[in-house]
Amino acid sequence: GAVVSQHPSWVICKSGTSVKIECRSLDFQATTMFWYRQFPKQSLMLMATSNEGSKATYEQGVEKDKFLINHASLTLSTLTVTSAHPEDSSFYICSARKRDSFNQPQHFGDGTRLSIL
Amino acid sequence: AQSVTQLGSHVSVSEGALVLLRCNYSSSVPPYLFWYVQYPNQGLQLLLKYTTGATLVKGINGFEAEFKKSETSFHLTKPSAHMSDAAEYFCAVSEGVYNQGGKLIFGQGTELSVKP
Repeated sequence: GAVVSQHPSWVICKSGTSVKIECRSLDFQATTMFWYRQFPKQSLMLMATSNEGSKATYEQGVEKDKFLINHASLTLSTLTVTSAHPEDSSFYICSARKRDSFNQPQHFGDGTRLSIL
Repeated sequence: AQSVTQLGSHVSVSEGALVLLRCNYSSSVPPYLFWYVQYPNQGLQLLLKYTTGATLVKGINGFEAEFKKSETSFHLTKPSAHMSDAAEYFCAVSEGVYNQGGKLIFGQGTELSVKP
């Protein structure tokens, strides 16, 4: 149980394109989902916390207008990288926390590798 | 502010040898601590966690970790390394307070290599 699916797993696109990444909790409801960014050989950096039915909370230094997050249901959060540029190329990982389980760990998706040409 | 420090960005052991990956944290409140493993081009898989109670925590794949408050440490060990253990390992801390959303702060990661 507690499976998180991320789609797509890999995307290559031209500079200026907007890219949407989906994060789904397949067998549980998630009121909170998290979006992380990971550069090669580096740790995960939290970008934003996504709460169902409300605005996302962004970490300091993360551009809200650049990385649009929508958490429209208890099983789906999306991250849209708007007008992507080569410096946005990275590995993006989402995680989800089960509803009503504040002391339970997050469950991670398999990540999306984004390459901007 | 909370932080996590993993000593050694790369650890190499021989197959069958002891694995020791070090993690120290700083937190102003009782922490929740986690170890995750990441294989290439994949997300993170939870190895084990400490929330409250017993300070020696057993996880999957033969790993365990001990929470030592006096040393602010949560080192990960495995008695006998296997080739399949080669991966990146991340230590993380969460305040565990529900209204803070349970944000995780990750260490820098330690790459474990296992030699035959």
